[in-house]
Amino acid sequence: NAGVTQTPKFRILKIGQSMTLQCTQDMNHNYMYWYRQDPGMGLKLIYYSVGAGITDKGEVPNGYNVSRSTTEDFPLRLELAAPSQTSVYFCASTSKTGAHQPQHFGDGTRLSIL
Amino acid sequence: EDKVVQSPLSLVVHEGDTVTLNCSYEVTNFRSLLWYKQEKKAPTFLFMLTSSGIEKKSGRLSSILDKKELFSILNITATQTGDSAVYLCAVERVNDMRFGAGTRLTVKP
Repeated sequence: NAGVTQTPKFRILKIGQSMTLQCTQDMNHNYMYWYRQDPGMGLKLIYYSVGAGITDKGEVPNGYNVSRSTTEDFPLRLELAAPSQTSVYFCASTSKTGAHQPQHFGDGTRLSIL
Repeated sequence: EDKVVQSPLSLVVHEGDTVTLNCSYEVTNFRSLLWYKQEKKAPTFLFMLTSSGIEKKSGRLSSILDKKELFSILNITATQTGDSAVYLCAVERVNDMRFGAGTRLTVKP
């Protein structure tokens, strides 16, 4: 069972570069999320999506963009990388139809901006 | 402003000890409270709590929710070195989830 898959696992960017963090899930979940986790901190929500074609901002959306063209994929884009975006990024998904389910997390992408 | 506060932030115990981790919250549109364990990678799910006063148990771990006083506790009995991790509390709202900063538990042999 693949679950939630994130790529790449690690990346180093220079200031001002752009990149896309990929996230795909094979559980047919309608809800998907992007979080960032800074050292010693909990997870902060960047963006989330309640279904294909629908996205919404979380707590810390500035400097990021997302799209949700399919149920499976929820890429996160950094347009102009800044040192403050150095973090570990987690993608998660869940289904909100029927019984309560917890969020399932990917293994994370460790991103350094130098 | 919505907030989830965990205490203590850090805890060091010896194998065999019992620990209690705390989570208090002030969140609008509450749906459930979840506990996750995070070692080196992604958080792994432990418990989901939706009703007050009903204890959930899994082996040496247990948790309970008080929706009147807005807090939850996670108990770990007879701790083992493999319990060393960051324990995250999260409150699920209608569409999203808010996390606490976590409690870093270290269990020494």
